[in-house]
Amino acid sequence: GAVVSQHPSRVICKSGTSVKIECRSLDFQATTMFWYRQFPKQSLMLMATSNEGSKATYEQGVEKDKFLINHASLTLSTLTVTSAHPEDSSFYICSARKAGGEETQYFGPGTRLLVL
Amino acid sequence: DAKTTQPPSMDCAEGRAANLPCNHSTISGNEYVYWYRQIHSQGPQYIIHGLKNNETNEMASLIITEDRKSSTLILPHATLRDTAVYYCIVRVTSGTYKYIFGTGTRLKVLA
Repeated sequence: GAVVSQHPSRVICKSGTSVKIECRSLDFQATTMFWYRQFPKQSLMLMATSNEGSKATYEQGVEKDKFLINHASLTLSTLTVTSAHPEDSSFYICSARKAGGEETQYFGPGTRLLVL
Repeated sequence: DAKTTQPPSMDCAEGRAANLPCNHSTISGNEYVYWYRQIHSQGPQYIIHGLKNNETNEMASLIITEDRKSSTLILPHATLRDTAVYYCIVRVTSGTYKYIFGTGTRLKVLA
């Protein structure tokens, strides 16, 4: 199998607070994890690529100081939305690519963030 | 990065084959075509991928044209649970092999 989990599945927070989202590969090791954001009725937009043990690579237009990514182990990556504002409300989805060369990405179930 | 073009929506009768087309005319020789689907409020689910040859698995078949500029995903006997947005992706070959998602096709399977 290739199962990816995310926690929490949904979160509501007040404007100005920070929220951490975890992404775990449950039955495989992932050298690379990806973070996406999806607004209603839109496609997935890649935010950043996270490599175990190194700094994340952010896509153009994504603020690295606002969306902090940590990939400290081969099975866990975290995304922290700092000083969240209502416009950060979205569906955040992670994916993981298996170590060892397989290039298929396996996606988590997503985390719905609502900032009040 | 190769881009993909898909029709925005399609309907299919339950039990019939659903044929979802995708154009990727700028694809490079070593870039794979991947198909995923996303059911409402869930993460994308992997379906199938291919390079040159046609591929089949328990979920679907993938037909890639000889010039590799287009492909078709075939769901042989569509069910109501196949209603979803289907994404055709050409995987970037350099660096981290990231995916660039297009707008996808919203498939509605009708009873």
